[in-house]
Amino acid sequence: AQKITQTQPGMFVQEKEAVTLDCTYDTSDPSYGLFWYKQPSSGEMIFLIYQGSYDQQNATEGRYSLNFQKARKSANLVISASQLGDSAMYFCAMREGANNQGGKLIFGQGTELSVKP
Amino acid sequence: GAGVSQTPSNKVTEKGKYVELRCDPISGHTALYWYRQSLGQGPEFLIYFQGTGAADDSGLPNDRFFAVRPEGSVSTLKIQRTERGDSAVYLCASSVQTLDRGKAGANVLTFGAGSRLTVL
Repeated sequence: AQKITQTQPGMFVQEKEAVTLDCTYDTSDPSYGLFWYKQPSSGEMIFLIYQGSYDQQNATEGRYSLNFQKARKSANLVISASQLGDSAMYFCAMREGANNQGGKLIFGQGTELSVKP
Repeated sequence: GAGVSQTPSNKVTEKGKYVELRCDPISGHTALYWYRQSLGQGPEFLIYFQGTGAADDSGLPNDRFFAVRPEGSVSTLKIQRTERGDSAVYLCASSVQTLDRGKAGANVLTFGAGSRLTVL
């Protein structure tokens, strides 16, 4: 069974508008961490934002925020005020177990975001 | 080093040959990960080292794949008898292992630029 599901293969957004990239996950572990990475055409994976399963508030990092809905097992990424440089692949990932114990990340299939001028 | 370094950046080989891919993690990072990424897919976990030992090798597809990290720093991914299906970008990542709670305890993975392997 797929642990991380990203249902949007591709998304378009107008420059300066906000966009939401969907991510749902599946785990029976009460401790887990959720991550979003950006992969531009250059190929390098860039960390954007992290949400722990016990965090009370949604994570925010600059223009990025994570809409964490634990009961729905969703961790959508919201990018505000889109810029042309935001055009890239975006991956949602999960680590099961307490994050301070380390361990592998499981990635979704990704969503390709295109920002239109 | 300042970032995760992977060599070679590109490798073209023939079916049946042996290949080694090298990863030099960020200095001080005790955890090291190997992933494989096929075109249009998300990274697929292969193996994870904590120090010198493989903490989780459940993602290695078969016994043609092997990885080592003898001194707890540089790691080498070894692929024997390469097949065309092994063609992919091999990504290495490292993280500092902290027992801190909260954001610092996220143990965020920092990735290298990858090694693109093409098996003809």
